[in-house]
Amino acid sequence: RKEVEQDPGPFNVPEGATVAFNCTYSNSASQSFFWYRQDCRKEPKLLMSVYSSGNEDGRFTAQLNRASQYISLLIRDSKLSDSATYLCVVSYTRNSGNTPLVFGKGTRLSVIA
Amino acid sequence: NAGVMQNPRHLVRRRGQEARLRCSPMKGHSHVYWYRQLPEEGLKFMVYLQKENIIDESGMPKERFSAEFPKEGPSILRIQQVVRGDSAAYFCASSATTGTYNEQFFGPGTRLTVL
Repeated sequence: RKEVEQDPGPFNVPEGATVAFNCTYSNSASQSFFWYRQDCRKEPKLLMSVYSSGNEDGRFTAQLNRASQYISLLIRDSKLSDSATYLCVVSYTRNSGNTPLVFGKGTRLSVIA
Repeated sequence: NAGVMQNPRHLVRRRGQEARLRCSPMKGHSHVYWYRQLPEEGLKFMVYLQKENIIDESGMPKERFSAEFPKEGPSILRIQQVVRGDSAAYFCASSATTGTYNEQFFGPGTRLTVL
């Protein structure tokens, strides 16, 4: 079983739509949770961290359910510029003190005019 | 304030040659991570270094791959005797600290193509 699983998509949605992505993680020791965005042939960029209480940043809302080991991202009022691959990412501290990021394969979103 | 820098951006090697990938972390960052992204795959952690020390290399193949982060200069990821399966995007990230919710900033990556 993969450590972080996401629906690969693609999700094709019209401008203005609301779209939700889900992600599950297998390691119950995971401590930190993130959504990254990756444009085609570019580096990943942090979209938002995800906290237990849930958090919102403009049109983006992230939720975390530790009991179910489940993370979600909701994008409201989609823009053409939201077209990208969204990466679900978790992290936990190893004995070495390292906190490497564990990435899902990503969910591809295409927002169409 | 320059971000994480990587060079070269594109590297083409023939099977059996060596590949050297360089990464300069953001100013003030002393923690460097290397990740590899194979085609159509997610990023996978390879190695974590601090200045002059390899802290965690659990994600790095045991053979042909090595990494360093010298006291002066960039971090280097070295791949000896490259094979076609090494073709991938190699991303370097840096952070100011470690621990939960430490943000890692990624460089633009080096795309290695092995012919």
